[in-house]
This record gives sequence, C-alpha cells and structure tokens, in this order.
Amino acid sequence: QVTLRESGPALVKPTQTLTLTCTFSGFSLSTSGMCVSWIRQPPGKALEWLALIDWDDDKYYSTSLKTRLTISKDTSKNQVVLTMTNMDPVDTATYYCARIKDGYNSYNWYFDLWGRGTLVTVSS
Amino acid sequence: DIQMTQSPSSLSASVGDRVTITCRASQSISSYLNWYQQKPGKAPKLLIYAASSLQSGVPSRFSGSGSGTDFTLTISSLQPEDFATYYCQQSYSTRPITFGQGTRLEIK
Repeated sequence: QVTLRESGPALVKPTQTLTLTCTFSGFSLSTSGMCVSWIRQPPGKALEWLALIDWDDDKYYSTSLKTRLTISKDTSKNQVVLTMTNMDPVDTATYYCARIKDGYNSYNWYFDLWGRGTLVTVSS
Repeated sequence: DIQMTQSPSSLSASVGDRVTITCRASQSISSYLNWYQQKPGKAPKLLIYAASSLQSGVPSRFSGSGSGTDFTLTISSLQPEDFATYYCQQSYSTRPITFGQGTRLEIK
C-alpha cells in the first residue's frame, strides 16, 4: 500500500523557519521517474505548488517562494523534507506532500497520491 | 507563469444532473491538464490526467476534454458523493506548476 504522511509543527512564530517531513511507504524515491512534491492550501483558498524533488535529486521550486524554500530527500528513510524560512502569518496553510510516479517527462507531472496534510499556523 | 482560470467559481446542481466545469489556460498547454476533486477536510484526489485520461478507480461518469487553452470536466450524472471542489492543474510548464482557483459544486 502506497501512503504519504506529513509531519511537523502545528504552530510557528513569525520569522521562524518551518521544517516539514513527508514520510512515505510503498514506493522508493530512488526508482526512476518517481518524484515527491509539496503543495499548500491556505484555509478556504486554492492549492499552491511549492517544490518538487525527483529520483535523480533534481529540485524545482515555486518562482515566488524559491528564495525561502529548500527541499531534500533521504532515500534510506523514505523521507522528503521541506524547509521554509522567514515564516509569516500569510503562510498559514495545510501543507501536503504528493507523489508523481512517472516524472521522466515533466508533462506527466500530475499528483496521483497525496498525504492527508498538516495544518501549520503562523502566529506570535 | 501560466495562469489557470476556472469557471464558474461555484455551481449548484441536483443529483442526476449533467455538470460541466471549464478551465482556461493563459497560453496553450497542449493537453497537459489534470483535474482533482477535493472534499472538505480531505486531500485532493486525481480524477483526470492529460486532459482526458481517467485515473484508475475513478467512476466513468467523470470525463475530461479539451486542448490548447480550453478544457472541460464533465460529470454525466451527479451522485451525492460528487459534491466537492474541483481543481485543474497544468503540467505543460512546470516552472512553476499552477492550479486553477477551484470550482465549488454544491447541492441545489
């Protein structure tokens, strides 16, 4: 069974750095074509793509947030980590990780499996 | 960035209705358009990829069409479990990947 699960702090203070972990099972990020991405959704708002890492350790970022984001993977632990610096209340959102299983061609970058998400609130 | 615009933003319909949701891209994206369904408090679920390919396990009442800049998601006969928010996502230009703003489908 393929699953993804997000974990991290529920509350962070403004200016702090957020670190989120996506722990997955049922697939390996060392398998050619596999990718894991982070997507967020502020309360009542639309989905926003943040970052992606692929099997070859190539990394891609949202153009508007790339200076604040870092994505990395630990293949041995089946984990992908996202850090976001200088958090602000507007970053309050549910953060999801999701899988792309056929990422050879970026035209196939659709998300076939998602984690349940983790709500992060930014407040002092 | 490629902008994705969905219409309508919200829609009321009845069980058994045929419903169509539209997604328009700010430039041609060929057929690299994907659709998701999201229910309250849940993660999105992939319905359609590459404009018209039905994801495994998704009921056949869901269908997608279009190419270039204009796309549609059609539900042929609404079921009670279909009331949700629907999002389109383009994968033509992945720097960055972009989603539409969502269409909320409500019970009339």
